[in-house]
Amino acid sequence: LAKTTQPISMDSYEGQEVNITCSHNNIATNDYITWYQQFPSQGPRFIIQGYKTKVTNEVASLFIPADRKSSTLSLPRVSLSDTAVYYCLVGDGSWGKLQFGAGTQVVVTP
Amino acid sequence: GAVVSQHPSWVICKSGTSVKIECRSLDFQATTMFWYRQFPKQSLMLMATSNEGSKATYEQGVEKDKFLINHASLTLSTLTVTSAHPEDSSFYICSAPGVYNSPLHFGNGTRLTVT
Repeated sequence: LAKTTQPISMDSYEGQEVNITCSHNNIATNDYITWYQQFPSQGPRFIIQGYKTKVTNEVASLFIPADRKSSTLSLPRVSLSDTAVYYCLVGDGSWGKLQFGAGTQVVVTP
Repeated sequence: GAVVSQHPSWVICKSGTSVKIECRSLDFQATTMFWYRQFPKQSLMLMATSNEGSKATYEQGVEKDKFLINHASLTLSTLTVTSAHPEDSSFYICSAPGVYNSPLHFGNGTRLTVT
C-alpha cells in the first residue's frame, strides 16, 4: 500500500493559486492518484484523478512527474469556499484497503 | 455521476442501544463497499470492507461483533453499531468503487452521538 505524505496545513488569500504536493514514494505500477476535498461533517468529494503527466478539469489541475513518486494538486484562484481538508489517495482501481493520510487543511482568507 | 447515499445523516442514541446506518449506491452496483470512522480533527480510518454475499473484512482493532456489517444486495450495505457507548460517538462514512479505475464515491457521512 502506498503511503502518502502531505503538508498539514496551508494558508492562502482569495484569488491566489494553491499548490499542494503529496509524496507517495512507493506507488505501484497499477496505482492511480486521486484527490478529494472534505468539508466539516461531510463525506470526501472527488476533485481529480490521474495516472501520469498532467490532468486538468474545471476545478483543478493535477501534475504528476515521470517517476510518479509525488503529485501536485493545483487550485487556481481560490475562494473562501475552498477552505477545506484535501486528501491525496493512491491506490489501484479496486481501492481496497485504502488508508487515508492526514490530509492538508487549506485556509483561504479574504 | 455515480452517487452513494448514506442514511441517516445524524443520529442520537442512548448508551446500550443499537444503531443501523445504511449505505446505498444509487445508480451503480457495488460488490464492495468500505466503512470509515472519523473523529474530530482526524483523518478517515478504514474500519472494514463490506462484501456482497460474503462476510465483511475488518481492520485490525475493529470489533466485528460490535460493528456488524451486512451487504445484502449489490446496492446496499449496512453498519450496525451494537450496544453503543459514548466512545462510539463519531462520524461514520461509507464509500463504494465504481467501475475499475474510476474514483471512489463517498457517502455524506453519519454523525453518531451516543448519550
